[in-house]
Amino acid sequence: RKEVEQDPGPFNVPEGATVAFNCTYSNSASQSFFWYRQDCRKEPKLLMSVYSSGNEDGRFTAQLNRASQYISLLIRDSKLSDSATYLCAVSSWNAGNMLTFGGGTRLMVKP
Amino acid sequence: NAGVTQTPKFQVLKTGQSMTLQCAQDMNHNSMYWYRQDPGMGLRLIYYSASEGTTDKGEVPNGYNVSRLNKREFSLRLESAAPSQTSVYFCASSGRGAGDYEQYFGPGTRLTVT
Repeated sequence: RKEVEQDPGPFNVPEGATVAFNCTYSNSASQSFFWYRQDCRKEPKLLMSVYSSGNEDGRFTAQLNRASQYISLLIRDSKLSDSATYLCAVSSWNAGNMLTFGGGTRLMVKP
Repeated sequence: NAGVTQTPKFQVLKTGQSMTLQCAQDMNHNSMYWYRQDPGMGLRLIYYSASEGTTDKGEVPNGYNVSRLNKREFSLRLESAAPSQTSVYFCASSGRGAGDYEQYFGPGTRLTVT
């Protein structure tokens, strides 16, 4: 079992839709969580951190569920420009300051 | 600030050739990382440097060496390139302070080994 797992998708949604992705992690010592966005043939860019209390940034909301060991990303009112691959990343107190990345979920927003 | 820069952007090598990928960051970060990204495999850590003067192996270190030249620069060397090393290589940095895990990536180097 991979340490951090994501549904690879693709998720095909129409503009204006709400879409949610989950990311599960297996290490119960995980302490910091992030969502990255990666456009085709580009580097991953930090989208948002995921706090225990949740985190909202405009149309994007990230949640953490420690009991079930997953994080989620909700995108409201999807735009064409949201089409990308979304990577989750997890750090653990027993792994220094390294991040373990999921394989990514591909989102395609259609007109 | 340029953030994280990488050179070259593209490279084609023949099997057995050697090369060094360069990475530099201007964010005063303590930690630096080298990843490779292959279709269906996600980002895999090759080597990392938690601080200046230290380097450690990641998940897939075989066939690679690294040098943390100073706080800013972290290079990745392929001594004898193999077709299995065809990939996109990303450098990243993090850690302005304790508990600062957010990583920032360079634009990548697309390497093809024939």
